[in-house]
Amino acid sequence: ETGVTQTPRHLVMGMTNKKSLKCEQHLGHNAMYWYKQSAKKPLELMFVYNFKEQTENNSVPSRFSPECPNSSHLFLHLHTLQPEDSALYLCASSHGQGFYEQYFGPGTRLTVT
Amino acid sequence: DQQVKQNSPSLSVQEGRISILNCDYTNSMFDYFLWYKKYPAEGPTFLISISSIKDKNEDGRFTVFLNKSAKHLSLHIVPSQPGDSAVYFCAASANEKLTFGTGTRLTIIP
Repeated sequence: ETGVTQTPRHLVMGMTNKKSLKCEQHLGHNAMYWYKQSAKKPLELMFVYNFKEQTENNSVPSRFSPECPNSSHLFLHLHTLQPEDSALYLCASSHGQGFYEQYFGPGTRLTVT
Repeated sequence: DQQVKQNSPSLSVQEGRISILNCDYTNSMFDYFLWYKKYPAEGPTFLISISSIKDKNEDGRFTVFLNKSAKHLSLHIVPSQPGDSAVYFCAASANEKLTFGTGTRLTIIP
């Protein structure tokens, strides 16, 4: 596999469920990002990890919990979500946090029922 | 308050003609600007960028223009091809964070 991969591509979950989104990058990058894209809104940065350390939490509710075990993998753990959390969740990576060109995965389309 | 605005949600252009996508920003601290292209069911892909110390950057059929005094950015695609049909996002960077616009859907008409 090359580039940035995300699994699952689609996810439907109830408000009481716990699920996790996975992202993997095969580019040798050191920075990884989670973004949220809601309908007709710009991409919103959620979290940034640089060399496995979280460097940015953009006031994201605690029902979203990121995990970065190494520079190649990033998870987003979800629990007790709300219907308004339904969105496209995109993972991205870059050489380092100061490198502006980010490479995106295809996203996970999340629906909370 | 949106700091990066793409006021045209959609644009249709005849194949072979020039496509011009526009982007306005409000934050004077932005020092680097990028355009991303997104096809359905795929993530955005980096297209072209420009530093705030330049006013033009060209890469093949794609040219980005920056007018700092007007806080305006544009992407020119010439000649437009059917494969250029996609959503184009403008992004601006300050303090190592990217801020994105809402995107413009470009449709190239054969």
